Amino acid sequence: DAGVTQSPTHLIKTRGQQVTLRCSPKSGHDTVSWYQQALGQGPQFIFQYYEEEERQRGNFPDRFSGHQFPNYSSELNVNALLLGDSALYLCASSSLAGLETQYFGPGTRLLVL
Amino acid sequence: AQSVAQPEDQVNVAEGNPLTVKCTYSVSGNPYLFWYVQYPNRGLQFLLKYITGDNLVKGSYGFEAEFNKSQTSFHLKKPSALVSDSALYFCAVRDGSNDYKLSFGAGTTVTVRA
Repeated sequence: DAGVTQSPTHLIKTRGQQVTLRCSPKSGHDTVSWYQQALGQGPQFIFQYYEEEERQRGNFPDRFSGHQFPNYSSELNVNALLLGDSALYLCASSSLAGLETQYFGPGTRLLVL
Repeated sequence: AQSVAQPEDQVNVAEGNPLTVKCTYSVSGNPYLFWYVQYPNRGLQFLLKYITGDNLVKGSYGFEAEFNKSQTSFHLKKPSALVSDSALYFCAVRDGSNDYKLSFGAGTTVTVRA
C-alpha cells in the first residue's frame, strides 16, 4: 500500500515565477492538507481540501492556491514567487473527511533564487 | 487559537537511558494531540495520538505519551533510547471541536549517543 506521494522532490525557481506541486494521498484517504516548513521551524498549515473544495485556510496570501481532483489527488500552486517561499512543502492526507490522523508525504523542497 | 510549545530545542541522552521530550499546548476546544518524527530530508512520520480515553498512549517504536489536562501537557517518552531514535520530534495539536488544521511546535532535536 503506497503512502502519500509528492512530486517533484526538489525544485529550483527564480523570483516572480510560478510553481505547481503535486500530491497523491494514501489509499482510502479523501482529504488533503498542505503545510509549509521553513528551515528550522515546524510546519505551518496552508490549506485543506475536501470534496474538491478548500475547506480551511491558514494565514497565507492569495498567491497560494490549490486544487483537488475527483481521485482525491491535489496540487499546490504558488504565484509570483518570493525568496521567502523557499521551504519544504508537505502534503498530508487523512480519511473520514479529515477527522482521522494526517499522514505526511516526503515533501517537495523548493528553492527560490 | 491553538498553539504548541516545545521548551527544549535539543535533548541529549545516552543509549539505554530514558528519553523524554516535553510538549505543552493551548487550545480552546477539545485537544487532539499528536507526535511526529522527522528524519533528515524526509517528511513527518506519525508516532502516536491522543483523542480521548486513557491518558497514557502507546505508539510506534516503543514510544508513549501521557496526556495531562491540568498541566496542558503531552510529553513523549521512551523507557530505553536507541541511537536510531536520533531525529527531530514535533508535537502538534488540533482543536477537535471545530478545526481541521494541525498546529505544530518548533520541534526538538533528539541526539542519542552510543
